[in-house]
Amino acid sequence: EIVLTQSPATLSSSPGERATLSCRASQSVSSNLAWYQQKPGQAPRLLIYDATTRATGIPARFSGIGSGTDFTLTITSLEPEDFAVYYCQQRSKWPLYGFGQGTKLEIK
Amino acid sequence: EVQLVESGGGSVPPGGSLRVSCVVSGFSFSTSGMSWVRQAPGKGLEWVSSINGHGDDTYYADSVKGRFSISRDNSKNTLYLQMNSLRVEDTAVYYCAKATVPVGAFDIWGQGTMVTVSS
Repeated sequence: EIVLTQSPATLSSSPGERATLSCRASQSVSSNLAWYQQKPGQAPRLLIYDATTRATGIPARFSGIGSGTDFTLTITSLEPEDFAVYYCQQRSKWPLYGFGQGTKLEIK
Repeated sequence: EVQLVESGGGSVPPGGSLRVSCVVSGFSFSTSGMSWVRQAPGKGLEWVSSINGHGDDTYYADSVKGRFSISRDNSKNTLYLQMNSLRVEDTAVYYCAKATVPVGAFDIWGQGTMVTVSS
C-alpha cells in the first residue's frame, strides 16, 4: 500500500509570501500525483494533476513539481483566499487512490 | 453548467443500510469514471469506491469492501453508493467526484451528503 506523507502539518504564512508544501510517497507513483485545496464547509478543488499541470481556472501562482516519491506545491505571493487545507492524492494499482493527511495553511 | 448533486444522506443505527445518490449534469456522464470520497468530521479525505463509465469495472477501499456497492444508471445520469452493515466509523460527508481524463485525479466534486451512523 502506498502512503502519502505531507509536511508540514501546519504552515503559518502572511499574504504576499511564498508557501512551499511537501508530499512524499512511500513508493514511486511516477507522475500520478494531484493537489487539492479545501476550505471549511466546501468540497475539495483540484489545483494540480499529473504532478505539474494546473487544472482549468487555477491561477498561475500555484505550481507543482516532482516525480517518483517527492512532490512540492508552491504558491507564490499568497492571496487571502489561499489560506485553506491542501491535500495531495495519488493514483496507483492499489489502493486505486490515496490522499495525504493534509497541510493547513494558516495566516500568521 | 457542470454540476454534481448528492442526496440520500441521513442518520442510521449501526448495522443499518443507506443508499446515497449523485445526479450529474453538464458533461458526458456515460463516458466518465466516477468515484465516492468521504471525509469524517474534522478529518482528511478517504477514497471509498470507483466505477468506470460502462459500470462493469468497480473498485473499493479495503475499509468498505463487502459492505458497500457502487453502481450507476447512465440513462438517469445518476451514481449510487449502497451502504450496508454500517459502522460508527462510516460517519462522514460523502462526496461524489468525476475522474479526470486520463484517469488520475478528480476534477469535479459535488457538495457532499452527510451520513451519520449512531445508536
